[in-house]
Amino acid sequence: NAGVTQTPKFQVLKTGQSMTLQCAQDMNHNSMYWYRQDPGMGLRLIYYSASEGTTDKGEVPNGYNVSRLNKREFSLRLESAAPSQTSVYFCASLPEGRSYNEQFFGPGTRLTVL
Amino acid sequence: AQSVTQPDIHITVSEGASLELRCNYSYGATPYLFWYVQSPGQGLQLLLKYFSGDTLVQGIKGFEAEFKRSHSSFNLRKPSVHWSDAAEYFCAVGMNKYIFGTGTRLKVLA
Repeated sequence: NAGVTQTPKFQVLKTGQSMTLQCAQDMNHNSMYWYRQDPGMGLRLIYYSASEGTTDKGEVPNGYNVSRLNKREFSLRLESAAPSQTSVYFCASLPEGRSYNEQFFGPGTRLTVL
Repeated sequence: AQSVTQPDIHITVSEGASLELRCNYSYGATPYLFWYVQSPGQGLQLLLKYFSGDTLVQGIKGFEAEFKRSHSSFNLRKPSVHWSDAAEYFCAVGMNKYIFGTGTRLKVLA
C-alpha cells in the first residue's frame, strides 16, 4: 500500500493563478482532510470530507475549494492564489469506525505564491 | 473552546539526556490524544495515542506519554534522547477532527 499520496511535491505560483492539489489514499478510509502548516501555527484544518460526496469547512476555508471525487481522492483547489496561501499543505485520511484510530498523513505539498 | 497548548516552542537537550515535552488541552468530552513527529521536509508520523484505559501509554521509538485528567495534560517523555530524535513534535486532540498544538522543535546536542 502506498498510503496517502500527494501531488505535486512542490509548486510555485504567481498571484492570481489557479491550481489543484491532488490527494489519494489506498487504505479504503472514509474520512479525508486538508491541512495547512505555517511556522509557529501548527496544522490548521482547511476542509474535510467524512465520506464520498460530502465536504465541510474547517478552521481556515477561505480561498479554497475541495472535491471528493470518489472514496480514494480528495482534491484542494486554489482559484486565485494569494501570497498568504504560501504554506505546506498536508492531506490525511482516517479509517471508519470509533475504534482505536488515528489520521494518516501524506508527505505534503510545499506551495509558494509570489 | 477546544484548544491544545504546547508551551515550549524550542527545546534543546544533550544526547543521552531525558526529555519531556508538554501538552495541555481543553476539550469538552473525554479526549482522544495523539503525539505526532515530523522530521524536516517530511509528513507526520504517529508516535502514540490515548483513547482510554491505562494513563501511561507506550509508543514507537522509545517514547511514552502520560494522560493526567486533573492537569488536562498529555506530556511526552523519553528517558534517553538520540540524535535522530531531532524533529518537530505535535500534540493533537480530537476524534474525527483534530486540533493541533503549535509544535515543539527539538534540537539534540552531540
